[in-house]
Amino acid sequence: DAGITQSPRHKVTETGTPVTLRCHQTENHRYMYWYRQDPGHGLRLIHYSYGVKDTDKGEVSDGYSVSRSKTEDFLLTLESATSSQTSVYFCAISGDLYEQYFGPGTRLTVT
Amino acid sequence: RKEVEQDPGPFNVPEGATVAFNCTYSNSASQSFFWYRQDCRKEPKLLMSVYSSGNEDGRFTAQLNRASQYISLLIRDSKLSDSATYLCVVTLTGNQFYFGTGTSLTVIP
Repeated sequence: DAGITQSPRHKVTETGTPVTLRCHQTENHRYMYWYRQDPGHGLRLIHYSYGVKDTDKGEVSDGYSVSRSKTEDFLLTLESATSSQTSVYFCAISGDLYEQYFGPGTRLTVT
Repeated sequence: RKEVEQDPGPFNVPEGATVAFNCTYSNSASQSFFWYRQDCRKEPKLLMSVYSSGNEDGRFTAQLNRASQYISLLIRDSKLSDSATYLCVVTLTGNQFYFGTGTSLTVIP
């Protein structure tokens, strides 16, 4: 299995609080991605990174920001969590542009 | 219109059966195609890439039909351990990934 970890694995937070999710990889892959998965929707891309300090928006980026200060870490921040951001968040990595490997996921509940 | 559409199922098949899933995509400029497997409450795992010429990996065969804009996954001799949700993925440019909502498969003893 690809070396990808996510933390925390579970989190319950209140509406309006900031939340940061961390993705850490040991594969030295260039590309990293954040997705959310909700019933009735496929995985949807939030943000991605193509190198240190190089990030771009995905399909559902509103309300989220990211940072990548090191190759191995990609952080996803919800500046002010809302109930609509209750979801399962997956990080993925890719050594090229196409085959992706996913972390174990973070279950986030916003009450 | 969704970029990628899958029949959600569920597909309930007996052990040893052959089952096939299709996935249609809307953009003819799509470049790469994949099947992932996702177990309940787990992360998606890459099952196989789908090549224009079709490809096989053991009991699994994937095919691409560009003219009709669909990809397929065939599972022969189904095992209990094949029970999972199967996701198709289509890419446009390098960072435009579109996932289907998944097809649920249960293999019954």
